Amino acid sequence: GENVEQHPSTLSVQEGDSAVIKCTYSDSASNYFPWYKQELGKRPQLIIDIRSNVGEKKDQRIAVTLNKTAKHFSLHITETQPEDSAVYFCAASNMDSGYALNFGKGTSLLVTP
Amino acid sequence: SAVISQKPSRDICQRGTSLTIQCQVDSQVTMMFWYRQQPGQSLTLIATANQGSEATYESGFVIDKFPISRPNLTFSTLTVSNMSPEDSSIYLCSASGSFNYGYTFGSGTRLTVV
Repeated sequence: GENVEQHPSTLSVQEGDSAVIKCTYSDSASNYFPWYKQELGKRPQLIIDIRSNVGEKKDQRIAVTLNKTAKHFSLHITETQPEDSAVYFCAASNMDSGYALNFGKGTSLLVTP
Repeated sequence: SAVISQKPSRDICQRGTSLTIQCQVDSQVTMMFWYRQQPGQSLTLIATANQGSEATYESGFVIDKFPISRPNLTFSTLTVSNMSPEDSSIYLCSASGSFNYGYTFGSGTRLTVV
């Protein structure tokens, strides 16, 4: 089955700096790669996703890049703000086949003022 | 994207008892998924529920412990049976409506077994 590795497990940045979280996946059939933000006591919220036919996607301060050959994808947050502090999870699935998401272990991001 | 209502939001249960968690989706979805999130951990898939067929369980999870129902395309239940303190976790349901809308999650059920 799919195995998703996520690094780093914790990340501390100063407000205004950029943050990068990286994930690798094992199953070449995976074609959908979302990123979720989870605040304490809340459900995971989708913040951005990318399909396998796209190499990069951007939404304001957030961007995701995908390298299918190397089987890795990354989340980039620019101009970080304290409200970006949360746990971020990457995931992968073969959505065409209706498969579930397989999650990385998460990255706890702390943005200090 | 689909909106999922999950209940109960939390419960405290005695060991040896069972709890049934319900998820209602506001649109018809093909697949529903049940996850467990232990404190400070990631989400672990328990099973995939497809309407009209038996749920498919992941390694380490069995039907006798986590029976699942999927009576129609908008509803599913997960039962945590014969609970022990090790079952204390957050349980989340998720649904995939279409390729354009990704996966959404219910609000979660925080279960404490005492």
